[in-house]
Amino acid sequence: QKEVEQDPGPLSVPEGAIVSLNCTYSNSAFQYFMWYRQYSRKGPELLMYTYSSGNKEDGRFTAQVDKSSKYISLFIRDSQPSDSATYLCAISSGSRLTFGEGTQLTVNP
Amino acid sequence: DGGITQSPKYLFRKEGQNVTLSCEQNLNHDAMYWYRQDPGQGLRLIYYSQIVNDFQKGDIAEGYSVSREKKESFPLTVTSAQKNPTAFYLCASSQQGSETQYFGPGTRLLVL
Repeated sequence: QKEVEQDPGPLSVPEGAIVSLNCTYSNSAFQYFMWYRQYSRKGPELLMYTYSSGNKEDGRFTAQVDKSSKYISLFIRDSQPSDSATYLCAISSGSRLTFGEGTQLTVNP
Repeated sequence: DGGITQSPKYLFRKEGQNVTLSCEQNLNHDAMYWYRQDPGQGLRLIYYSQIVNDFQKGDIAEGYSVSREKKESFPLTVTSAQKNPTAFYLCASSQQGSETQYFGPGTRLLVL
């Protein structure tokens, strides 16, 4: 069993839709939770970072962490074609990050 | 303009050849990392270094080697012992005590 599980998709939505991306993890020692966005043939860029259960909002993006269920989510409101990318969850318990497989998202105009 | 640079963008390797991928950062970060990305497998850690002249193996270190002689540089050598080197290689760095890592643009390695 992988330490971090993420549905690889692909996920295709119309412009303006609300997108929900999810990861589950198995190690309760994980403390820090991140979401990265990766455009095709580019390096990942950090989108959101949180370390506590609950919600964290940044513009159209909301990161949600439920430590009791070992479940994290990223919501994208009013999705745009420019949001089309692969989204990677990353979880840390120290100096190392464990990444999910990534979910490929396409937002259609 | 601070950031992480990787070169070259594309690299071709012949059978039995060692190749070296460059990673430089001017963020004054202490820690640096090398990942390999394959389709359907996410990012896997090859090597990491938290301080100059020290580095540790990650999950898939076999067939790779690194050095950390300077804080800003962390080159990765893909040796001939790595039998399946075709992948997208990503370098990252982070500040000491921080969990967040920042990535370079990547190098795509192809085998001729």
